[in-house]
Amino acid sequence: EIVMTQSPATLSVSPGERATLSCRASQSVSSNLAWFQQKPGQAPRLLIYGASTRATGIPARFSGSGSGTEFTLTISSLQSEDFAVYYCQQYIDWWTFGQGTKVEIK
Amino acid sequence: EVQLVESGGDLVQPGGSLRLSCVASGFTFSTYWMHWVRQAPGTGLVCLALINTDGSSTKYADSVKGRFTISRDNAKDTLFLQINSLRPEDTARYYCATAAGHWGRGTLVTVSS
Repeated sequence: EIVMTQSPATLSVSPGERATLSCRASQSVSSNLAWFQQKPGQAPRLLIYGASTRATGIPARFSGSGSGTEFTLTISSLQSEDFAVYYCQQYIDWWTFGQGTKVEIK
Repeated sequence: EVQLVESGGDLVQPGGSLRLSCVASGFTFSTYWMHWVRQAPGTGLVCLALINTDGSSTKYADSVKGRFTISRDNAKDTLFLQINSLRPEDTARYYCATAAGHWGRGTLVTVSS
C-alpha cells in the first residue's frame, strides 16, 4: 500500500498570509494526486486533482504542484473560510490519504 | 447538480449487520466507478471498497475483506455497502464517493453494546 505523509500536522497562519502544505508518497504516484478540504461536520471537498488542476469552482488562491513523490498545496492568501483540515490522496493504486494538515488561525 | 445521499447508518451491537445505501443524482451514475470511505471520530479518511461501472469487479481494504460487500443497482442509481460482524472499531462516518471527486455527507455507524 502506498503511504501518504503530510506535514506539518498543524499550521498556524494569519488571515492574508500564505500557507504551504506538503505531502509525500512512499513511492511514485506520478501526477495521480488530489487535495481535499474538510471542515467540521462536512464531507471532504475536492480542491485539486492531477496534482495541479483546480476542481470546478475552486478559487485561484489554491494551487498544487509536484509529481512523483513530493507534492505541495499552496494557499496564496488565506481567507477566513480556508481554515480547515486538508488531506492529500493518491489514486494511482487504490485510494490512500495522508493523515491531514490542520490550518488554524494564528 | 451532483448529489450523493447516504443512509442506513445506525447504533448497532457488536456482531450486528447494516446495509448502507447511497443514492446518486445529477450525473450518469452507471458510468462512474464508486467508492466507500470511512472516517472514525477525530481521525483521517480510509478507503474501504470500490466497484467498477457494471458491478463486475470489486476491491476491498484488508481490514474489511470478508465482512463488507459493495454492490450497485444502476437502474436505481444506488450504491450499497453490506456490513456484517460489526466491531466497535467500525464506528465511523461512512461516505460514498465517485472517482471524479464528488462525496456525499455521510452516514454515521456506531457499534456499541
